[in-house]
Amino acid sequence: AQTVTQSQPEMSVQEAETVTLSCTYDTSENNYYLFWYKQPPSRQMILVIRQEAYKQQNATENRFSVNFQKAAKSFSLKISDSQLGDTAMYFCAHLGGNNQGGKLIFGQGTELSVKP
Amino acid sequence: GEEVAQTPKHLVRGEGQKAKLYCAPIKGHSYVFWYQQVLKNEFKFLISFQNENVFDETGMPKERFSAKCLPNSPCSLEIQATKLEDSAVYFCASSPRASNYGYTFGSGTRLTVV
Repeated sequence: AQTVTQSQPEMSVQEAETVTLSCTYDTSENNYYLFWYKQPPSRQMILVIRQEAYKQQNATENRFSVNFQKAAKSFSLKISDSQLGDTAMYFCAHLGGNNQGGKLIFGQGTELSVKP
Repeated sequence: GEEVAQTPKHLVRGEGQKAKLYCAPIKGHSYVFWYQQVLKNEFKFLISFQNENVFDETGMPKERFSAKCLPNSPCSLEIQATKLEDSAVYFCASSPRASNYGYTFGSGTRLTVV
């Protein structure tokens, strides 16, 4: 069974600095997808970034980028030039590729605080 | 519409009462998912639908939880005889036929059992 682990319950960073959130996962599949979701205090789940396992190139979305290490089953999120609006819970998630419409498996979440 | 609409936003029930939550997926999305989030913790998968058919119900506590997605109606999640431990935020998400781009989540229903 797939599992996702986020080992950092809480992180903090100064505004304008860079922070990296860790995520590891376990799967027996070769083709799958990984995601980072942001959940601000409004509790709305917002998709931050997506990575396809068969693509070696790390995904990037503006200030957000990932370091995808397939052999190590690691998928960390780097936030550059942190902004106060980045304060939120961040969830790493895995989606199996062999089953269209399969469920997302989430990690435990990391609570990020951006300090002025 | 382009959002997943969940109603109500808040629901308070006495222990033992019934709770019913609704979700209108994005038009054209074939898959609907229900998740339970206790406090700010991880998401527990409950059930998924492909159109009106149950796709995966491995997460459902079958004795008190039930769910439906009927044509031309919002999907629903019903909890009979609620317990204190059912207090959580229940999220619905939908995805299109090609589901590997991630899901669109609703804003959740906060259920408080007192």
